[in-house]
Amino acid sequence: DSGVTQTPKHLITATGQRVTLRCSPRSGDLSVYWYQQSLDQGLQFLIQYYNGEERAKGNILERFSAQQFPDLHSELNLSSLELGDSALYFCASSEGSSGSSYNEQFFGPGTRLTVL
Amino acid sequence: GQSLEQPSEVTAVEGAIVQINCTYQTSGFYGLSWYQQHDGGAPTFLSYNALDGLEETGRFSSFLSRSDSYGYLLLQELQMKDSASYFCAVRDDSGYALNFGKGTSLLVTP
Repeated sequence: DSGVTQTPKHLITATGQRVTLRCSPRSGDLSVYWYQQSLDQGLQFLIQYYNGEERAKGNILERFSAQQFPDLHSELNLSSLELGDSALYFCASSEGSSGSSYNEQFFGPGTRLTVL
Repeated sequence: GQSLEQPSEVTAVEGAIVQINCTYQTSGFYGLSWYQQHDGGAPTFLSYNALDGLEETGRFSSFLSRSDSYGYLLLQELQMKDSASYFCAVRDDSGYALNFGKGTSLLVTP
């Protein structure tokens, strides 16, 4: 158990819909990262927050957005869903203020999103 | 841009030693990390090399050669539970997030 929690574990929805994925980082971790994992694209970085502020952006679509709240939990919002958005979405956290902490991230169990 | 290359599949026998190689191209280098992921599970951090040389953690060791842009993960005394995917990763252009390789699927056979 990494100490990172994600809800829900599974989500099934239809094309065009909007969903929200939730993540609580490990106690004391200030950085939260979101990754998407699909069979053809592997593990892709989406976005990172540090202590409430967006710090880095990866291959995140404009239809996707995220935020980190004062209690440090984070939400990833996916809208106008398409079939190709079906994937495992992982949240990870790290202490986030020292160099090596960016290399050692702790991943949650993931949310499996299926778009029908 | 960045790229990481690792073999897609490796098969080894229980009790043996296996080496998973990773070559990378990146403009800024902040070290090489290795993660393990079992089917349907979360990636788990295994090791991190910032400097050249070998880092040992139990049955797992990781090596880095910055001049060759190359590293490897060495798994000794293989067990069936080591069957998993192994990813090498480097920090991306932002310096904060990780860019993962496509992963190496390791199958340990009896």
